[in-house]
Amino acid sequence: AQSVTQLDSHVSVSEGTPVLLRCNYSSSYSPSLFWYVQHPNKGLQLLLKYTSAATLVKGINGFEAEFKKSETSFHLTKPSAHMSDAAEYFCVVSDSGNQFYFGTGTSLTVIP
Amino acid sequence: EAGVAQSPRYKIIEKRQSVAFWCNPISGHATLYWYQQILGQGPKLLIQFQNNGVVDDSQLPKDRFSAERLKGVDSTLKIQPAKLEDSAVYLCASSHYEQYFGPGTRLTVT
Repeated sequence: AQSVTQLDSHVSVSEGTPVLLRCNYSSSYSPSLFWYVQHPNKGLQLLLKYTSAATLVKGINGFEAEFKKSETSFHLTKPSAHMSDAAEYFCVVSDSGNQFYFGTGTSLTVIP
Repeated sequence: EAGVAQSPRYKIIEKRQSVAFWCNPISGHATLYWYQQILGQGPKLLIQFQNNGVVDDSQLPKDRFSAERLKGVDSTLKIQPAKLEDSAVYLCASSHYEQYFGPGTRLTVT
């Protein structure tokens, strides 16, 4: 069975400091993993995806994530937070059958 | 390429009324999903279609919700009768190895 656990429901960082949003997954297969961002009253936007190629994945807006099979993790990072990064972030795991499983989300607050 | 289209963007109805949402997926995407996202929560899958067949509708409240994708392209999601707790954003997505989401329909039931 596939599942995703986002370890923090809320994360608060100061502008210019690093961002770390944690995600652990459970999968019986070689998973595909995704991070989506959702700004208030906006749709879900794909930040980055891992599909069994390079374990360090670079996405849009300076975000990246590293797939660690031994730790079953896919944490999202950014070296320096910007005010525009304040949003809800969702980690998603997919099996090979076009089924996608969402985490419960992490709300990122950026303090000026 | 054009994205996933949804309409209407906003809808306000009274409880016990009916409502329908429409979704047009990205051309060529065989898989279509409807999600319900209640404020402050993650999206919850309501139903998944593969072409015009249902793959998963285990979380669809079938006494009031229905969905169809007759020609394997467009899809409609209907609620009849609506309840207050149905107030949410209804997201449509289509996929080809990754999901692409529409802007959603924000439903308010009063």
